[in-house]
Amino acid sequence: DQQVKQNSPSLSVQEGRISILNCDYTNSMFDYFLWYKKYPAEGPTFLISISSIKDKNEDGRFTVFLNKSAKHLSLHIVPSQPGDSAVYFCAASAGETSGSRLTFGEGTQLTVNP
Amino acid sequence: DSGVTQTPKHLITATGQRVTLRCSPRSGDLSVYWYQQSLDQGLQFLIQYYNGEERAKGNILERFSAQQFPDLHSELNLSSLELGDSALYFCASSAGTVYNEQFFGPGTRLTVL
Repeated sequence: DQQVKQNSPSLSVQEGRISILNCDYTNSMFDYFLWYKKYPAEGPTFLISISSIKDKNEDGRFTVFLNKSAKHLSLHIVPSQPGDSAVYFCAASAGETSGSRLTFGEGTQLTVNP
Repeated sequence: DSGVTQTPKHLITATGQRVTLRCSPRSGDLSVYWYQQSLDQGLQFLIQYYNGEERAKGNILERFSAQQFPDLHSELNLSSLELGDSALYFCASSAGTVYNEQFFGPGTRLTVL
């Protein structure tokens, strides 16, 4: 049962444009969401998070949007840079219910073309 | 650099053997998490320790065990290894137990031949 899904295995955008990565979840107990970036042969790197009491969180070029009714979140990267090319993972946790274990999506390979 | 260290970086062993993976969390972090990333399963949570005590358990096999020591470093022990245990094993740490970002180490790549 895949509780966190990233339906797009890959995304290609031009440098300077917006990258939008999407994530859907099914478990209504999830109340904290995170995005990680991963380069080959490295561990995931934390990017940005959002609590379920918010619908938007911004940090520099990265903005995460949460739509609780649709059980959907998205990561916007503006402007996209070639160094952003990596696999992006969406993750969710259910707070006290599960001791903050993270449930990950399958990842989306983002390629930013110069 | 996340501040989380893992050793060894690579490990090659044979079926039936036992190995120990080591993790040192970021300075000040009390929680340590172990995750497995295999080709067909993605990143899967194994187990969490908080300040030396087991806090949460995922789909960790009975052949696998972990512990967190008084200095907060953690070890993941994998025994009776099978070919299917070949994977990347990541350790992560966080300051608390909930609503905290987890910071990941570089991983240990285990190959079972």
